[in-house]
Amino acid sequence: DAKTTQPNSMESNEEEPVHLPCNHSTISGTDYIHWYRQLPSQGPEYVIHGLTSNVNNRMASLAIAEDRKSSTLILHRATLRDAAVYYCILRDVAGTGGFKTIFGAGTRLFVKA
Amino acid sequence: DGGITQSPKYLFRKEGQNVTLSCEQNLNHDAMYWYRQDPGQGLRLIYYSQIVNDFQKGDIAEGYSVSREKKESFPLTVTSAQKNPTAFYLCATQSGGQANEQFFGPGTRLTVL
Repeated sequence: DAKTTQPNSMESNEEEPVHLPCNHSTISGTDYIHWYRQLPSQGPEYVIHGLTSNVNNRMASLAIAEDRKSSTLILHRATLRDAAVYYCILRDVAGTGGFKTIFGAGTRLFVKA
Repeated sequence: DGGITQSPKYLFRKEGQNVTLSCEQNLNHDAMYWYRQDPGQGLRLIYYSQIVNDFQKGDIAEGYSVSREKKESFPLTVTSAQKNPTAFYLCATQSGGQANEQFFGPGTRLTVL
């Protein structure tokens, strides 16, 4: 299964943009790139996903490299509520694993007031 | 109120006892998942089920068992064979389709004394 690599932690100032990177050099053609975030003692929540093109929604933007070997989650204006662990994962929907999903350790985002 | 219910939020058991964690959903989703999370770590997949009466082992299935007799329910039993059962357990669902997001329950924190 393709794996992802993320920095252990990042820090941002409130109301500034945040760019969270993710490397997935062994991504396959049928892997979707998903981002989730997890607040302390809660289950993760979906943020955004994409396949090849950049994506925008009300929470964030996802920029996907042309070769798809990396992606960046962009929070346009960080707030204190955005402090969480962010997971970049690949959804293998074409292999024998079916809908199997692998989560790494994620990036812990600290937001300073 | 739609969503995923996991009960109880906190659970204590003595070593050597089997314990069953509940996961109920009213989202009408086909696929359901169980993850384990240890402090400061990412999520690890225990079992998943794509359809009623069918389930597959994840990466760390040893010492766990599941059943999927109803679409709405996917209980997880932590058996005495699981060497380190103390962890945060998360249940998730996913609707049909290739890239659909996963929805997570609030989790159950199991402590084995």
